[in-house]
Amino acid sequence: AQSVTQLGSHVSVSEGALVLLRCNYSSSVPPYLFWYVQYPNQGLQLLLKYTTGATLVKGINGFEAEFKKSETSFHLTKPSAHMSDAAEYFCAVSEAGRRALTFGSGTRLQVQP
Amino acid sequence: EPEVTQTPSHQVTQMGQEVILRCVPISNHLYFYWYRQILGQKVEFLVSFYNNEISEKSEIFDDQFSVERPDGSNFTLKIRSTKLEDSAMYFCASSEDARGYEKLFFGSGTQLSVL
Repeated sequence: AQSVTQLGSHVSVSEGALVLLRCNYSSSVPPYLFWYVQYPNQGLQLLLKYTTGATLVKGINGFEAEFKKSETSFHLTKPSAHMSDAAEYFCAVSEAGRRALTFGSGTRLQVQP
Repeated sequence: EPEVTQTPSHQVTQMGQEVILRCVPISNHLYFYWYRQILGQKVEFLVSFYNNEISEKSEIFDDQFSVERPDGSNFTLKIRSTKLEDSAMYFCASSEDARGYEKLFFGSGTQLSVL
């Protein structure tokens, strides 16, 4: 069975500071990995995904994530936080050929002025 | 950008009552999903639906749950006899094609409260 662990249910950074949201997964087969973002009163929106190929993936709004197989990690980063980045971020994993996503418990990002 | 629409945004029901949650997926999408999030817990997969049949379901999706695409635009989740533990935010999602799990489009959710 696959699972996702997001370290830190709340992360607070200053505007302009580095954002680092951590995600570790377990999967018995090579995983597909995703980061979704949820703004207040909205649905989840795909930020970026890793399926195959280059392990450093770039997404929308300046975010990127690196798949590290040896560490079973897929941490999300952004060099400089913006106030508009305040939201809840979910890491998710699926297995090739399956439709179901398994989500982490989410990390709420606060950006302080 | 096209979006997935869910109605109602909030629904309150009495335990034991039937509820139907409605979703309008993006028009050219072929795969449809329901997820739910109980307050304070993870987003959980319920079911996926393609070509008028369930393609995958989780252990949560028992006989109390059913899904239907009654016409060319709506996708519904029915809970036959609601329990207190069914209280959650229910998200509908859709994707375009066979590899659509790579990019799901989610609705903004229906908050179901069972009293």
